[in-house]
Amino acid sequence: QVQLVESGGGVVQPGGSLRLSCAASGLIFSNHGMHWVRQAPGQGLEWVAFIRYDGSNQYYADSAKGRFTISRDNSKKMLHLQMNSLRAEDTAVYYCAKEDYGDDGPLSGWGQGTQVTVSS
Amino acid sequence: NFMLTQPHSVSESPGKTVTISCTRSSGSIASSYVQWYQQRPGSSPNNVIYEHNLRPSGVPERFSGSIDSSSNSASLTISGLKTEDEADYYCQSYDTETWVFGGGTKLTVL
Repeated sequence: QVQLVESGGGVVQPGGSLRLSCAASGLIFSNHGMHWVRQAPGQGLEWVAFIRYDGSNQYYADSAKGRFTISRDNSKKMLHLQMNSLRAEDTAVYYCAKEDYGDDGPLSGWGQGTQVTVSS
Repeated sequence: NFMLTQPHSVSESPGKTVTISCTRSSGSIASSYVQWYQQRPGSSPNNVIYEHNLRPSGVPERFSGSIDSSSNSASLTISGLKTEDEADYYCQSYDTETWVFGGGTKLTVL
């Protein structure tokens, strides 16, 4: 079955950087657009970034623009999120999620999440 | 861009029916599909309704979705409530390179 496993989270100081990864298995990874979605402590879901199935386009939430970069390696079935200039408000669980089809289709599979804590 | 507004919380008794609303602030609710996600405590979200009213395989028929253009809103209805339905529920939609989640509704089954 589909498995998405995030890694790379941790504690980082404000202004620091972190690179999250998401390893995919059980699916034809190169067929699916991929998202990063985060959830701050006790808060709701917030979409962060999306990359098309072939990496041709990337889209970002305003909160991520200019600081975060989403990328993928289809040969390795890996998704990444490079996060720079981190702020306290970036503290959250970060999930990777796959879309099945089209921009207005569902996020049909989610990883278990990786915790990012930005604190001095 | 637009926002999706949900009630903060709802509660109902086992066996009853509950409806959770999701109102779109601007643009037509029908212009892009609405999905719904269930998130149980300590777990990742799980899609329970897609394309306004379709259920992924494995989701019970007790879960249904709809949209109402007159109120520019979507609804998730859960009938025959079970204690296992207690969770947070999020609506989500899309518009021009932006994916938007509602703030979430905490469903208590008591």
